[in-house]
Amino acid sequence: NAGVMQNPRHLVRRRGQEARLRCSPMKGHSHVYWYRQLPEEGLKFMVYLQKENIIDESGMPKERFSAEFPKEGPSILRIQQVVRGDSAAYFCASSPPGGNTIYFGEGSWLTVV
Amino acid sequence: GNSVTQMEGPVTLSEEAFLTINCTYTATGYPSLFWYVQYPGEGLQLLLKATKADDKGSNKGFEATYRKETTSFHLEKGSVQVSDSAVYFCALGDNFNKFYFGSGTKLNVKP
Repeated sequence: NAGVMQNPRHLVRRRGQEARLRCSPMKGHSHVYWYRQLPEEGLKFMVYLQKENIIDESGMPKERFSAEFPKEGPSILRIQQVVRGDSAAYFCASSPPGGNTIYFGEGSWLTVV
Repeated sequence: GNSVTQMEGPVTLSEEAFLTINCTYTATGYPSLFWYVQYPGEGLQLLLKATKADDKGSNKGFEATYRKETTSFHLEKGSVQVSDSAVYFCALGDNFNKFYFGSGTKLNVKP
C-alpha cells in the first residue's frame, strides 16, 4: 500500500510565478491535510479537505493560496504570485474516513528566487 | 481550545543515555495522542500513539503513556542511539479529525 505521495519534491519558482503542489493520499483515505514548515520551525496547519469539500481553511493565508481535493485526482495546493516568504516545506497528510491517525508524505520543498 | 506544548530543544544526550521529552496538552472531549519523528529532509513518520487514558504507546524502544490526570504524554527511551537524532513532534487528534502539533523538539545524540 503506497504511502502519501507528494510531487514535486523540490520546486524552484521566481517571484511572481505560480506554484502547484500535488498530493495523492493513501489508498482508501478521503481526508487530506496541508501543513507548512518554515526552516527550523514547527508545523503550521493550513487546510483540511475531504473529497470536493474544504472542511477547515483557518490556516490558509487570505490571498494567493488555494487548495482543492477533487472527486478524481490528487489534492492541489496552489500558490499564486509567489514571494520569497513562501519558501518552505509543504507537507500533505491523509487519514481514512473516521480515522484518528494521519500519515504524512515526504514533503514538497518550495524555493522562491 | 485544543493545544499541545512540548519542551523546547535542542536536547543533547550521549549515546545510551535515558531520554525524556515532555509533552502536555489541553483538549476538550477525548483526544488521541501521538508522537511523530522527522529526520532531516524527510516527512513526519508516526512513531507511536495512544487513543485513551492510561494507554501506553510503544515502538522502537520509545514509549509514552496517556495520562489524563496530568494531561501529559511524555516520550521516553531507555537508551538512545546516534540514529535517534531527529526532531520529535507531539500531537493531538480531536473528535472532529483535526490535529494539533507541538513545536517540535530536536534531539542530538552524540557518540
